[in-house]
Amino acid sequence: GAVVSQHPSRVICKSGTSVKIECRSLDFQATTMFWYRQFPKQSLMLMATSNEGSKATYEQGVEKDKFLINHASLTLSTLTVTSAHPEDSSFYICSARRQVTTEAFFGQGTRLTVV
Amino acid sequence: GENVEQHPSTLSVQEGDSAVIKCTYSDSASNYFPWYKQELGKRPQLIIDIRSNVGEKKDQRIAVTLNKTAKHFSLHITETQPEDSAVYFCAARTNAGKSTFGDGTTLTVKP
Repeated sequence: GAVVSQHPSRVICKSGTSVKIECRSLDFQATTMFWYRQFPKQSLMLMATSNEGSKATYEQGVEKDKFLINHASLTLSTLTVTSAHPEDSSFYICSARRQVTTEAFFGQGTRLTVV
Repeated sequence: GENVEQHPSTLSVQEGDSAVIKCTYSDSASNYFPWYKQELGKRPQLIIDIRSNVGEKKDQRIAVTLNKTAKHFSLHITETQPEDSAVYFCAARTNAGKSTFGDGTTLTVKP
């Protein structure tokens, strides 16, 4: 099966610091990875789409300078929350897929708490 | 862009009864419709999906139906069990590959 690993699963950071979240496809090459944010009892909101070797495409309303996405290889994408504030506290989930026509698999998510 | 509406937002059934969750979508270019089950604090898990060239798909107690003309698709769970309790999300995806999710349905199966 297709396994997507996300790390860390939980992180607590101080306001003003930056946090990096990694998303890895363990047994397949992911041409595209997606980053979502999920508030409690709400749906998954797409933040950005990243294709290996190119700049991420951000959804409307998502600050690209605050949420830095890097997809340097076919198995790794990173999301860096810069200068984090309490309102950035949320559940962040990545998903990865091989090709446009295949299903995407989710990482286990990262619970970010900014204090 | 695509807009996906999901109903109901909460659903409570007795163990053994059936549960039906419905979604509508707006973009006629959407051609892939997955359903995910998410337990509290965990990742969404794909439970069944359907492509636009198929009207119905079944996998044991779970089935999905798609009406392309009306732009709606539904998840059917028969003989529900307490472990089916979770949040269920539908999604619609176009060839461009971006999925739009419904707002989710919290299903509670009472023993």
